[in-house]
Amino acid sequence: ETGVTQTPRHLVMGMTNKKSLKCEQHLGHNAMYWYKQSAKKPLELMFVYNFKEQTENNSVPSRFSPECPNSSHLFLHLHTLQPEDSALYLCASSRSSGAANTGELFFGEGSRLTVL
Amino acid sequence: ILNVEQSPQSLHVQEGDSTNFTCSFPSSNFYALHWYRWETAKSPEALFVMTLNGDEKKKGRISATLNTKEGYSYLYIKGSQPEDSATYLCAFSNNAGNMLTFGGGTRLMVKP
Repeated sequence: ETGVTQTPRHLVMGMTNKKSLKCEQHLGHNAMYWYKQSAKKPLELMFVYNFKEQTENNSVPSRFSPECPNSSHLFLHLHTLQPEDSALYLCASSRSSGAANTGELFFGEGSRLTVL
Repeated sequence: ILNVEQSPQSLHVQEGDSTNFTCSFPSSNFYALHWYRWETAKSPEALFVMTLNGDEKKKGRISATLNTKEGYSYLYIKGSQPEDSATYLCAFSNNAGNMLTFGGGTRLMVKP
């Protein structure tokens, strides 16, 4: 138990579907992240939120839409995805940014997405 | 684009063997180097966060060293056990913000 919970763990969707991934952290952290793990590629940062404000969008296509209603919850809304978007999507949290923050990440177990 | 390289990509060792693998990263504007352990079907877990050149950290049979001037870190596992089988990720940041760039990982398999 890392204190970061992701749902669903597995998701299969068609290219015209709209679905959402959810992440919740119980660690009192103020920064939350979405990472993408594609086959044979390093973890890729998608989005960063600090104190509910988006601070990083790593050139992610608009068919991925993040939402952070509060510091404990992070969503990734999915719309008209492509088969190449099939991947493991990992959520993580950390203490807020700042000079004293070493940025250690606490990860969820991921949501395995398959786009047909 | 920051380049973080890990080698080897995969490694098979026998139980009881000691092993090590490498993470190389840009040597300029260094801030922190992280090591994570990622077991199959679980979440990545932080092993070490290293910030000072020459740092050496240890957790049980696992230790790590850091050379920020030449841009590399080594992870050592002494007397590997089957439960050490996992993917070991390193990640580098060059500022005090939240952005970590990950390497591709080293997948370790320890045979009983």
